[in-house]
Amino acid sequence: DQQVKQNSPSLSVQEGRISILNCDYTNSMFDYFLWYKKYPAEGPTFLISISSIKDKNEDGRFTVFLNKSAKHLSLHIVPSQPGDSAVYFCAASGATGGFKTIFGAGTRLFVKA
Amino acid sequence: KAGVTQTPRYLIKTRGQQVTLSCSPISGHRSVSWYQQTPGQGLQFLFEYFSETQRNKGNFPGRFSGRQFSNSRSEMNVSTLELGDSALYLCASSLAVGQNTEAFFGQGTRLTVV
Repeated sequence: DQQVKQNSPSLSVQEGRISILNCDYTNSMFDYFLWYKKYPAEGPTFLISISSIKDKNEDGRFTVFLNKSAKHLSLHIVPSQPGDSAVYFCAASGATGGFKTIFGAGTRLFVKA
Repeated sequence: KAGVTQTPRYLIKTRGQQVTLSCSPISGHRSVSWYQQTPGQGLQFLFEYFSETQRNKGNFPGRFSGRQFSNSRSEMNVSTLELGDSALYLCASSLAVGQNTEAFFGQGTRLTVV
């Protein structure tokens, strides 16, 4: 039972354009959502998060949008850079799950120069 | 400040053997979580420890176990290894438990079972 789903295994974007990575979740009790970025041979690194009381959070080129009614969140990267090429994991947590963080399967982003 | 350290980085074991992986969290972090990463499956939650107590457990068989020491260092053990246990095992530490927070990951231990 995958509670956090990233249905696109990969995404290819031209440098300078917008990258949009999507994530859906099934458990309405999740109230905190995170995005992590992972380069090969490294552990995931935290990128940005959003609480369920907000619908948008921005940090530089990265913006996360949350649509609670659709149980959907997305990560926008503008403008995309070749160094953004990595695997992006969506994750969710909440009090009812004991705050354990559940991850999606990841989306591999390729940013072409 | 040193990051999360996992040892060893790479490991090759034979079916039926057992293995122990080690994780040293960031100094001051008392919560340690373990994840298994396999292609197409993302990061599957194994368990979380805080103050030497298991706080959360994922849906893995009893062959997977862990523990945490008083200095917050954690070990994960897998007994009777199967080919399907081949994966990247990631450890993450965080400052607190019982609240939403981001985790800091180590580089992982790549386990290959032959």
